[in-house]
Amino acid sequence: DGGITQSPKYLFRKEGQNVTLSCEQNLNHDAMYWYRQDPGQGLRLIYYSQIVNDFQKGDIAEGYSVSREKKESFPLTVTSAQKNPTAFYLCASSNTAGNTEAFFGQGTRLTVV
Amino acid sequence: GENVEQHPSTLSVQEGDSAVIKCTYSDSASNYFPWYKQELGKRPQLIIDIRSNVGEKKDQRIAVTLNKTAKHFSLHITETQPEDSAVYFCAASKNAYKYIFGTGTRLKVLA
Repeated sequence: DGGITQSPKYLFRKEGQNVTLSCEQNLNHDAMYWYRQDPGQGLRLIYYSQIVNDFQKGDIAEGYSVSREKKESFPLTVTSAQKNPTAFYLCASSNTAGNTEAFFGQGTRLTVV
Repeated sequence: GENVEQHPSTLSVQEGDSAVIKCTYSDSASNYFPWYKQELGKRPQLIIDIRSNVGEKKDQRIAVTLNKTAKHFSLHITETQPEDSAVYFCAASKNAYKYIFGTGTRLKVLA
C-alpha cells in the first residue's frame, strides 16, 4: 500500500559487510529520499534524488552510497565505513511538479551483529 | 544548512484536552510544511499540511498555523483521544523537494 515498497523489513548484517536496502515506487514520483531514524533523533536525511542518474548527499551521507538508474528505484548501500549502522531506514518519494507531500515506505530495520 | 527545530520532545495530555506542538525552520525559502504521524513500528503518514501562502488550515480536530515572518509553524490537536498517541514530525521543504524533518514529539493521551 502507498505505492512505495522497501525490502527486506528486517535485515541482519555482520560487521565489515556491505548491505543494500531496496526501495521501489510505482507512483511515478520524480524525487526519492533515504532517511535514517534513531530514537530521539527524528528523521535524518542520508541521500536524495530528483532525476535519474543524479543524487545529492544529505546531512549524514558518510558510509552510505546510492544509485538512481531507474526512476522507480533508489537502492541504498550501507558500507562497512558506516560506524554505527544499526537503525531504522525509511525510503520516501514525492512529486515535486505536483508539489505534494512525501510518501514513505514501511521501513527496513537493520541490525549489525 | 537547513534545520527544523521541534518542541516539545514529549507531551502528555489528559483525554479531551488540547495538544500543541511547535516547529521553527531556518530556510526562509521553505514554502511547504507537512505534519506526519508515526505509530510504533509503522511508516510516517501525512495528517495535515500547509503552504506558505496560507496562515492557517483546519481538518476536523487538527489545525496547523504558520507565521512566515517568525519562521514558526504549529500543530494543534483538540479534544485529544487515546488513538492520537503517537510520534508527530514536522517538516519543511522548498517546492515539495528535500524535506527536512524535526526531531519528533511523542504524544501520550492519558485516559
